[in-house]
Amino acid sequence: AQSVTQLDSQVPVFEEAPVELRCNYSSSVSVYLFWYVQYPNQGLQLLLKYLSGSTLVKGINGFEAEFNKSQTSFHLRKPSVHISDTAEYFCAVSESRNRDDKIIFGKGTRLHILP
Amino acid sequence: NAGVTQTPKFRVLKTGQSMTLLCAQDMNHEYMYWYRQDPGMGLRLIHYSVGEGTTAKGEVPDGYNVSRLKKQNFLLGLESAAPSQTSVYFCASTRVLDTGELFFGEGSRLTVL
Repeated sequence: AQSVTQLDSQVPVFEEAPVELRCNYSSSVSVYLFWYVQYPNQGLQLLLKYLSGSTLVKGINGFEAEFNKSQTSFHLRKPSVHISDTAEYFCAVSESRNRDDKIIFGKGTRLHILP
Repeated sequence: NAGVTQTPKFRVLKTGQSMTLLCAQDMNHEYMYWYRQDPGMGLRLIHYSVGEGTTAKGEVPDGYNVSRLKKQNFLLGLESAAPSQTSVYFCASTRVLDTGELFFGEGSRLTVL
């Protein structure tokens, strides 16, 4: 069964600085990978996804992520963060060859933007 | 567009009481999921359904039951609520897995005293 590890529970970063949120997954088959964002007191919304093809995927709000199969990673990056990026970010995985499969989330990384 | 609607949004229960959370989606999605969110634990999958009439266990199914009698509705039941079930519950749906996008409801905050 698949699993997701988000290595950092909280990441503080200064406004306009770059940020990387780390995600590693475990699966014995090919996967779909996702990053979701949750703003305070809201539900989750999709930031970006990797299904196949190019390993560098771009999402909304200037975020991008790179799929690295050999390192089983899918780290999220943004070159310059804004105060409005304050939120919790969740990495998720699904096993792509299994039609009956589920989507499993990591424990989340809370991004704190410092003025 | 309603999207995914959860009812109720808030509920306080006493230990041992039962209740049902309703999730309704109007997007004709095949897949529906129930997650719980707890501080420091992320979202954990309780049960899910890959189509009308089907259900499957997720990561933390104990103490919960589900039903998907109609394609648009996914019910989550607590037969005998326990304080450990105090949580925020999210329902989500998607058309097929390879579109990648889960559509989430706004959440239901449940407190068990």
